[in-house]
Amino acid sequence: AQSVTQLDSHVSVSEGTPVLLRCNYSSSYSPSLFWYVQHPNKGLQLLLKYTSAATLVKGINGFEAEFKKSETSFHLTKPSAHMSDAAEYFCVVSAISGGYNKLIFGAGTRLAVHP
Amino acid sequence: GAGVSQTPSNKVTEKGKYVELRCDPISGHTALYWYRQSLGQGPEFLIYFQGTGAADDSGLPNDRFFAVRPEGSVSTLKIQRTERGDSAVYLCASSLTGEARAFFGQGTRLTVV
Repeated sequence: AQSVTQLDSHVSVSEGTPVLLRCNYSSSYSPSLFWYVQHPNKGLQLLLKYTSAATLVKGINGFEAEFKKSETSFHLTKPSAHMSDAAEYFCVVSAISGGYNKLIFGAGTRLAVHP
Repeated sequence: GAGVSQTPSNKVTEKGKYVELRCDPISGHTALYWYRQSLGQGPEFLIYFQGTGAADDSGLPNDRFFAVRPEGSVSTLKIQRTERGDSAVYLCASSLTGEARAFFGQGTRLTVV
């Protein structure tokens, strides 16, 4: 079975400092992994995805994530936080079930950015 | 359309009433998903449609929940005899068949009072 664990429910950073949102996954085969962002009262937006190509994945808005099979991790990073990055972030694994991709979400990490 | 559209954006209903939530997927997307997001949690899978048929409804919590997609495009999630515990944001997503990436609507916030 596939699952994801987001290690922090809340992360607080100062504007201009690095962001690290941690995610560990469990999968019985090579997974597809995603990070989605959810701003208040807005829909889920895809930040980036890993689908067995390069292990370092670059996404939108300066975010990137590195797939580490040995650590079963897919942590999300950004060198310098902006106020507009404050949102809920979800790590997601894709579970192939019956020939289609069922998305399994983590519980989410709420990122707060302070001036 | 340009994106996945869900209506209404907000729905308040009394306990015991029947509600319908609508999802209009991206044109041409044959795969359609419903998810439920309770307060403080990540979205949880409810049901998946491939075309007109429900290929996987294993996430529906009980028989009060039902969904249809009669023409392979618009889908309706139906909840009978609503309970306060059904209060959540109901999310719809669509994708091309075989594509891992799904596009999400903004959701319908259901409040049962």
